Amino acid sequence: EDQVTQSPEALRLQEGESSSLNCSYTVSGLRGLFWYRQDPGKGPEFLFTLYSAGEEKEKERLKATLTKKESFLHITAPKPEDSATYLCAVQNTGTASKLTFGTGTRLQVTL
Amino acid sequence: DVKVTQSSRYLVKRTGEKVFLECVQDMDHENMFWYRQDPGLGLRLIYFSYDVKMKEKGDIPEGYSVSREKKERFSLILESASTNQTSMYLCASSSGVFILGGSQHFGDGTRLSIL
Repeated sequence: EDQVTQSPEALRLQEGESSSLNCSYTVSGLRGLFWYRQDPGKGPEFLFTLYSAGEEKEKERLKATLTKKESFLHITAPKPEDSATYLCAVQNTGTASKLTFGTGTRLQVTL
Repeated sequence: DVKVTQSSRYLVKRTGEKVFLECVQDMDHENMFWYRQDPGLGLRLIYFSYDVKMKEKGDIPEGYSVSREKKERFSLILESASTNQTSMYLCASSSGVFILGGSQHFGDGTRLSIL
């Protein structure tokens, strides 16, 4: 059974204070690892897909990396508008389009 | 931009009622999904569909059914609503069946309360 564990559960940062969110996963065969952002009262918004260990993707202040057991979402010099819940999900090679999600990291960035 | 529209943002129903949640996508996506999201449990897949009239059970299908009569529309049905089905329901769509990295696009959810 595929499993995704995200840590920490919640993170509070000051504006400009860089940090990383962790996503540990167990999957029999990884087709892809996905990062989403979710704002309160909204559906998740797609950020990145990573396919293989060593791969990195960047978007503004966010950078996602992937190893064989975990993924990190690095946030550089965050701003208050980066406050959201960040979700990680994995797609198994044997289960077509299905995703298994972690429970997310709730990020708050203060001035 | 992909648009996934869920028919209601908030819904209140009574125990035992038959409840219909509707979802429409405008990007001609083959795949559509229904999830529920609960605090501490994350998103859990209820059902998904990879083609018209096709459906597959997800991780928690009990108490639910689905209908996909047209490619753009995917309905979730609570046959006899119970209080433990109070939750946020999210619909998503994605393109392709076995292509790599088909990212899912989500609607804004329906917050359903069963009294």
